[in-house]
Amino acid sequence: QQPVQSPQAVILREGEDAVINCSSSKALYSVHWYRQKHGEAPVFLMILLKGGEQKGHEKISASFNEKKQQSSLYLTASQLSYSGTYFCGTETGDSSYKLIFGSGTRLLVRP
Amino acid sequence: KAGVTQTPRYLIKTRGQQVTLSCSPISGHRSVSWYQQTPGQGLQFLFEYFSETQRNKGNFPGRFSGRQFSNSRSEMNVSTLELGDSALYLCASSLGLAGGNAQFFGPGTRLTVL
Repeated sequence: QQPVQSPQAVILREGEDAVINCSSSKALYSVHWYRQKHGEAPVFLMILLKGGEQKGHEKISASFNEKKQQSSLYLTASQLSYSGTYFCGTETGDSSYKLIFGSGTRLLVRP
Repeated sequence: KAGVTQTPRYLIKTRGQQVTLSCSPISGHRSVSWYQQTPGQGLQFLFEYFSETQRNKGNFPGRFSGRQFSNSRSEMNVSTLELGDSALYLCASSLGLAGGNAQFFGPGTRLTVL
């Protein structure tokens, strides 16, 4: 069951903030966030685990609401290099540790 | 540490043929996952191998298969190719099972089926 990401696309001016959301219809064990630039492979940003543990880049901020089965990725003071497509991946209780990705959120940061 | 490598980077095949893609994970990583990426479908999970065992499989037909060797290298095979199999195939490696560990993606193999 694919998680739902919102918004599908967002355009920012450099320095502005953005929030990307990821929601699931099932209980979550973990949520992953990756960024993919055009023509490149996805790059790991962060994992949020059930129970509160987080692993990832220091400059990346995210939240994981287990009760609401949602996660949000916070991009503050955006830079041009933040442009790309952001994917969340979720591991649900019935997926046998299978990681399923959402359809992505396209982010464009303009000067 | 060297990153995840995939070979070949590009492939052109015709319908009905079969293809084998290869993935070498980061040294020490025991899990390899495969994904199909198309513009309209995003990242679709194919399967995950851990310690030479298939741990998970996505919703793809039996024409898609894979295996993992004792050195953690993995291969993916697609038989009887169809036009709809044209896609970027990505593999990702992680220390442990993908669900609880960061995945590191290779550059992908671009498969075109004519």
